[in-house]
Amino acid sequence: GEDVEQSLFLSVREGDSSVINCTYTDSSSTYLYWYKQEPGAGLQLLTYIFSNMDMKQDQRLTVLLNKKDKHLSLRIADTQTGDSAIYFCAESFHSGGYQKVTFGTGTKLQVIP
Amino acid sequence: DAGVTQSPTHLIKTRGQQVTLRCSPKSGHDTVSWYQQALGQGPQFIFQYYEEEERQRGNFPDRFSGHQFPNYSSELNVNALLLGDSALYLCASSLAHLGPDEQFFGPGTRLTVL
Repeated sequence: GEDVEQSLFLSVREGDSSVINCTYTDSSSTYLYWYKQEPGAGLQLLTYIFSNMDMKQDQRLTVLLNKKDKHLSLRIADTQTGDSAIYFCAESFHSGGYQKVTFGTGTKLQVIP
Repeated sequence: DAGVTQSPTHLIKTRGQQVTLRCSPKSGHDTVSWYQQALGQGPQFIFQYYEEEERQRGNFPDRFSGHQFPNYSSELNVNALLLGDSALYLCASSLAHLGPDEQFFGPGTRLTVL
């Protein structure tokens, strides 16, 4: 079965880089995603990476994928207080002809001014 | 574009009651997925609707049912509510294809079962 794991909490100082890690179990994953959830809000898709890629950069965000170890990371450069939120990684894979998405438990990022 | 909207925002019910939650997808989207997010957890997939039919379902009992209307909006119904059904219920919309599942989420409905 599919399982996605993340550490629960990360605290960084404003201006530093944040690295949020995630491990997944399904080797047939097609896409891997990072979502952000602010208090009282739904999930916002930040970025995604296709499973045959190693890295994707999008402004302050860098996603690294180690498919051999089934490890995904999200690096946020120059972390700001507005980045404080819960970050979820998610994997999708084909199931019955459709994409099925499984989310991790989330990492709460606290940015200290 | 209003994005994905959900109603109501908050809801309080008692055990054994029934509840209906509503979702309007983002303009142009034809697929609606429902998720349950318990406190401190990630979203758990309930089911997905496309062309007014349920086409995928997660590990949820039959007490959870849904519907999609011709205008692509959707309802989630939960019967015989249990205390454990208390959660944030998220609706997500997307376009039906097999590329990246770029789901857009609504703000959710917070259900409390007493």
